[in-house]
Amino acid sequence: DGGITQSPKYLFRKEGQNVTLSCEQNLNHDAMYWYRQDPGQGLRLIYYSQIVNDFQKGDIAEGYSVSREKKESFPLTVTSAQKNPTAFYLCASSIPGRVNQPQHFGDGTRLSIL
Amino acid sequence: GNSVTQMEGPVTLSEEAFLTINCTYTATGYPSLFWYVQYPGEGLQLLLKATKADDKGSNKGFEATYRKETTSFHLEKGSVQVSDSAVYFCALPDSAGGTSYGKLTFGQGTILTVHP
Repeated sequence: DGGITQSPKYLFRKEGQNVTLSCEQNLNHDAMYWYRQDPGQGLRLIYYSQIVNDFQKGDIAEGYSVSREKKESFPLTVTSAQKNPTAFYLCASSIPGRVNQPQHFGDGTRLSIL
Repeated sequence: GNSVTQMEGPVTLSEEAFLTINCTYTATGYPSLFWYVQYPGEGLQLLLKATKADDKGSNKGFEATYRKETTSFHLEKGSVQVSDSAVYFCALPDSAGGTSYGKLTFGQGTILTVHP
């Protein structure tokens, strides 16, 4: 079955450390997205990519970085510049350019500070 | 840009009660509308969608009708179960001129708890 795989499910970061969250999809979708979800709040867009080798900042990109070297993969790095990284991170994908298509989500990675 | 306002929660119901979660939107044109559900510790799953005015999306006993005149897409279920306890999100695309840029705008989410 096609889907989105996020790993790891739980991740712990030490002070001053960069960590990378993995997101892989086999849905053959061109567009991929990263969201941050804080307790009791909605989703906030961090970065998105509509095509390989191209990506754009979302609403809260500071302290994060991404790459899109392959269609299937869109890793997110939480850098030491992100002072409050504890949150639930969700990756999604979709077919861009078609209005009626929803986004498909992975099961998320929960990041905590050690 | 497009925006969505979702009923604030949390909502607590007894099993077999009727559920309504309100969602209203502002948008350019007539975008598709979505309801997503998030079970504890999981990602979001598409629950239902509607693509044009007066469309009714339905799934797992949930329904929502695309009301252009009231710019609403309220989620309803006639008889909730304990297993329906989750967070529900209303969403619509950021779209212009019929072309979706792929981004979605989400409501704040409504936490539903159903007691036996």
